[in-house]
Amino acid sequence: DTAVSQTPKYLVTQMGNDKSIKCEQNLGHDTMYWYKQDSKKFLKIMFSYNNKELIINETVPNRFSPKSPDKAHLNLHINSLELGDSAVYFCASSFTTGNTEAFFGQGTRLTVV
Amino acid sequence: GENVEQHPSTLSVQEGDSAVIKCTYSDSASNYFPWYKQELGKRPQLIIDIRSNVGEKKDQRIAVTLNKTAKHFSLHITETQPEDSAVYFCAAKGWYGGSQGNLIFGKGTKLSVKP
Repeated sequence: DTAVSQTPKYLVTQMGNDKSIKCEQNLGHDTMYWYKQDSKKFLKIMFSYNNKELIINETVPNRFSPKSPDKAHLNLHINSLELGDSAVYFCASSFTTGNTEAFFGQGTRLTVV
Repeated sequence: GENVEQHPSTLSVQEGDSAVIKCTYSDSASNYFPWYKQELGKRPQLIIDIRSNVGEKKDQRIAVTLNKTAKHFSLHITETQPEDSAVYFCAAKGWYGGSQGNLIFGKGTKLSVKP
């Protein structure tokens, strides 16, 4: 009964391909996020959603398109993958947008070759 | 937007010693400051957090202090153990367009505890 689960855990793909990462949380949280962690371990916010609505897009290229079919799911679709997209992508959720803990998924290691 | 600076980037201590990691933030409206621990290949996990109405919080060997005037907060780990070895991230909850925003993370501190 993992709280925040992502699939797949590993993804290796060629440049130019399109891929998706799925995220689901069973905590009943209203807010979900996508973070990118690069090779230097820097955790950078990409998107945040509250009750299926996009509330923040932190200047991410429009090749990245999040989709939230309901408040328990936030998927990330990436078009025309580039070498620089290689990173670990973490999904997270929190009870609200306020001062509450963010719970992270186990991460998806994306390698673009 | 919010900017969080974290120091040092690496820290090596002997088992039993104390470790201190310091962070500064830029947005005076930020009012939530969590600390996350990330072990190799694992997800970040919350170890302690502090809100702006409190100056200090302690949980066993871990303590966090907050100085809102100076806009800095620190993590203190006492009696360090080898299993404390990990990357530690501070974060601040920023503001975006007048409403609560995202958690903005520092760049992390790799802590190594030598037996």
